[in-house]
Parts: sequence; structure tokens; C-alpha cells
Amino acid sequence: AQRVTQVQSTGSSQWGEVTLDCSYETSEYSYLILWYRQLFSGEMVFLIYQPSFDTQNQRSGHYSVVFQKSFKSISLVISASQPEDSGTYFCALSELTNNNAPRFGAGTKLSVKP
Amino acid sequence: EAAVTQSPRNKVTVTGGNVTLSCRQTNSHNYMYWYRQDTGHGLRLIHYSYGAGNLQIGDVPDGYKATRTTQEDFFLLLELASPSQTSLYFCASSDRDTEVFFGKGTRLTVV
Repeated sequence: AQRVTQVQSTGSSQWGEVTLDCSYETSEYSYLILWYRQLFSGEMVFLIYQPSFDTQNQRSGHYSVVFQKSFKSISLVISASQPEDSGTYFCALSELTNNNAPRFGAGTKLSVKP
Repeated sequence: EAAVTQSPRNKVTVTGGNVTLSCRQTNSHNYMYWYRQDTGHGLRLIHYSYGAGNLQIGDVPDGYKATRTTQEDFFLLLELASPSQTSLYFCASSDRDTEVFFGKGTRLTVV
């Protein structure tokens, strides 16, 4: 069964580095872990993804991930965080070797203070 | 650019009423999904499809039907709406090895 778990909320100060943790359960070998941010309008914005078969941690702009496949854990790292990075961040598991749909975590609410 | 369009964006209906939420994607994706979002639960999967005429049951299907009439169009039907179905509904599409593309959401209120 697929399951994705995230911490409910966290905070940071401006310019600090933020780490958002995600753990997941899957019995599949090939999958993607996707990260999204939800704006206050409700819109879902794609940030970055990590393929399970890629040993290199992915980076995109000021987002990067720390992927610990053997622990079924992944962290989204936001460098030099800004107040406008505040919002809710979702982690999702997308299995590649069956017809299962992606499953999302409950989201982590991030507050970055000036 | 990949696009998922949901309609209506907002809907208010009465308990026991019929509601149809529509979704169209122009991404040529095989997979389409309906999720609902409620505080504390994140996005929960209602139904999904991996092609026209195909329908798969998600994790919270009770009270919902779905139909995939074409590769582009996916509908969510609430035949006897209840207040517990008040939620923010997202339609999304993807292929197996891509990100998931979301619509802007439909806010449904059942009074």
C-alpha cells in the first residue's frame, strides 16, 4: 500500500535554510517523489521531483532534495528562504511500474518570518 | 503549455442535489485523477482513469461516480450531495514518468 507522511507545520526565519521531511511506503522499485507548493489561492505549483532510480539528489532553483532511498525518506531543502516561500508543501509518491495513481501527504505548513 | 481546466470554479448546492464537476486536459496524458482536499487530510484520491472508458476506484470513492468520456474529458458526479462533500476538488493529469499537472480547483459547498 502507498502511504506518504509529512510533518504538520514548521517555521523559519528569513534567509534561513528550511528542511521539510517526507516519508513514504511502497513495495515498488521504480517511483517518483514529487514536491508541490500550494499557494494561498489554492493553486498547486510543481517544484521538483526525484526518481527512485537516480542516485543524484535533484536541484531546481533554490529547491533541492535529500533522498534516502533505503530509509524511504526524502527531504525538500529550501535555501535562503523568504517570507514569500510561506505556504503548504506537499510530497507525493508516484509508482512507475503499475497503474496506481499518485498519493499525496497531508502537507507541511511552512511559515517564514522576516 | 500543459493545461488542465476545471469547471465550475465555485459551486453551491443543496443537500441531496446533483452536481457534476468537469475537467478537460490538453496534455495528451493518459492518466487523469480527481482529488479532494480538506484541512488536515491533504489531497485524497477519489477516482482516476488511465484512458478513455477506463475508471479506477481511489481511496475515498463513497458518494462519487466518475466518467472518462474521451482522453481529454473526465467528470466527477455527486448524485446525492451531502455536507460532508463540501471540499476543494482538484482534477489532475499525468503520464507515468512525469509530474502531475493540476487544474485550479473547484470549491464545492453543500448546504
